[in-house]
Amino acid sequence: GENVEQHPSTLSVQEGDSAVIKCTYSDSASNYFPWYKQELGKRPQLIIDIRSNVGEKKDQRIAVTLNKTAKHFSLHITETQPEDSAVYFCAARTGGTSYGKLTFGQGTILTVHP
Amino acid sequence: SQTIHQWPATLVQPVGSPLSLECTVEGTSNPNLYWYRQAAGRGLQLLFYSVGIGQISSEVPQNLSASRPQDRQFILSSKKLLLSDSGFYLCAWSVKGAKGAFFGQGTRLTVV
Repeated sequence: GENVEQHPSTLSVQEGDSAVIKCTYSDSASNYFPWYKQELGKRPQLIIDIRSNVGEKKDQRIAVTLNKTAKHFSLHITETQPEDSAVYFCAARTGGTSYGKLTFGQGTILTVHP
Repeated sequence: SQTIHQWPATLVQPVGSPLSLECTVEGTSNPNLYWYRQAAGRGLQLLFYSVGIGQISSEVPQNLSASRPQDRQFILSSKKLLLSDSGFYLCAWSVKGAKGAFFGQGTRLTVV
C-alpha cells in the first residue's frame, strides 16, 4: 500500500520567515495530494491540494509543489504569522473513482514565534 | 452547503464499557464516510471507510466496529473498551470521485 513520509516532525520559525514541509510517497498511482492544518484540539482543515497533472499551485501565502518523478511534494508558507502555528499533515490519495483512500503523513508541528 | 456533525465532543468511559460514536452528514447524498483515530503521536489512522449503506471496510484489526444504517449516518462502536482505545476520533466525508475529505469536530475519548 501507499506510504507517506513527512519531514520535519517539528519546525520553528520567526514571524515573517518562510516554512517548508516536505512529503514523499511510495505509490506511483497516487494522483491527489491534499494538505491539512490542525489547530490544537480541533479538526484537520483542508488548506490546499494539488492533482498529479499539476506541478505547482498557489493560494495567497501558501503554495504546494509536486514532483511526480521523484514522488515528493512540498508545502511552502511565506511571510509566516503566529496564527500559522499548528500541526500540518500531508496526504496522498490512491484508488478508483468510487473510493480513494487518503494516506496521511505523521504531521509537522509548526511554531511561528512573534 | 455540506456539514458534518459528530458527537459527543468528549467522552470518558471505564474499561470494559461499550462505545457508540455517531456522525451525520447534511447537504450531500451517497458520500464516502470515514472513521479516523488520532493518537497522541499526532498521526491520522484510518479505521473504517464506507462507500454506501451497509458497506463497511476495515483498515486495521481492532476492538472497534462501524456501521452505516443510513446514507448519511456512520456509527463507531465497541462492545468492550480497552485503555488503548483512548484517542481523538474523527469522522470524515468525501464526495465520490472527488478528492478531498472533510472532517467532523472529533470526539476525544478517554478510557479509564
